[in-house]
Amino acid sequence: RKEVEQDPGPFNVPEGATVAFNCTYSNSASQSFFWYRQDCRKEPKLLMSVYSSGNEDGRFTAQLNRASQYISLLIRDSKLSDSATYLCVVNMYTGNQFYFGTGTSLTVIP
Amino acid sequence: GAVVSQHPSWVICKSGTSVKIECRSLDFQATTMFWYRQFPKQSLMLMATSNEGSKATYEQGVEKDKFLINHASLTLSTLTVTSAHPEDSSFYICSARGGVTGLSYEQYFGPGTRLTVT
Repeated sequence: RKEVEQDPGPFNVPEGATVAFNCTYSNSASQSFFWYRQDCRKEPKLLMSVYSSGNEDGRFTAQLNRASQYISLLIRDSKLSDSATYLCVVNMYTGNQFYFGTGTSLTVIP
Repeated sequence: GAVVSQHPSWVICKSGTSVKIECRSLDFQATTMFWYRQFPKQSLMLMATSNEGSKATYEQGVEKDKFLINHASLTLSTLTVTSAHPEDSSFYICSARGGVTGLSYEQYFGPGTRLTVT
C-alpha cells in the first residue's frame, strides 16, 4: 500500500466552482501535512501546511482528519490560475521522511 | 524568505559526460536537502536525502556511484550525474527542509534543472 494516495483526476471545473481534493495516508505516526502546487514543468511550491484544527488562506481551506487518516483541500471560487497539479505531502515523525502523493490535476475552464 | 536556487536551470550534454547541479538555500540554513527526479507526467521521485557534513542516504534503486551528492555547507548541496546516458534525461529538483514551525517541517523547492543527454 502506498504511503500517500490521491485521486489523480483530472478535475475539470468551470470558473467560480468549488472543488475539493482528498488525500489519504497509511501511517498513523505521520506528523506534518502539506499541500503543494506544481505547475507544468515547474517545481512544487508550498501552498499551505495543514494543521490539526484546519486552516484557511483566502479561497483555500485545508482540513486534517487523523481518525480517518486523510487531509483535504477545498478551493472556492476557482480561478483560471488555479489550474495546476496539487500534491499532498506527509512527513513522518523523524522529520526527514516525506511522502508525496502522485498529485491531482485541476483544470479550471473559462 | 525560504528561497532555494538551482544551477543550471537547463543543461544539454553528450552521453558519457558528467554534469554537476548545485542547490543553494539563499536565506536560511538547511541541514537537510533532498534530491528528486521527475519524468514527464510522473510524480516526484526521491533520489536521496543529503545531510550537511555526512554521507547522503540514497533511496532503493538509486546508484550512489552514479549520482554523487555532496553537502559541504549549510547552504549548498551538489548532485553530480556521472557518465550520463540518455535515460538520465529528466527534471532534477532539489529541496531544502526549513526550520521547525511547531512540529512542522516544510520543504522549499528549487526551480529544478532540466537535463537532456544526447
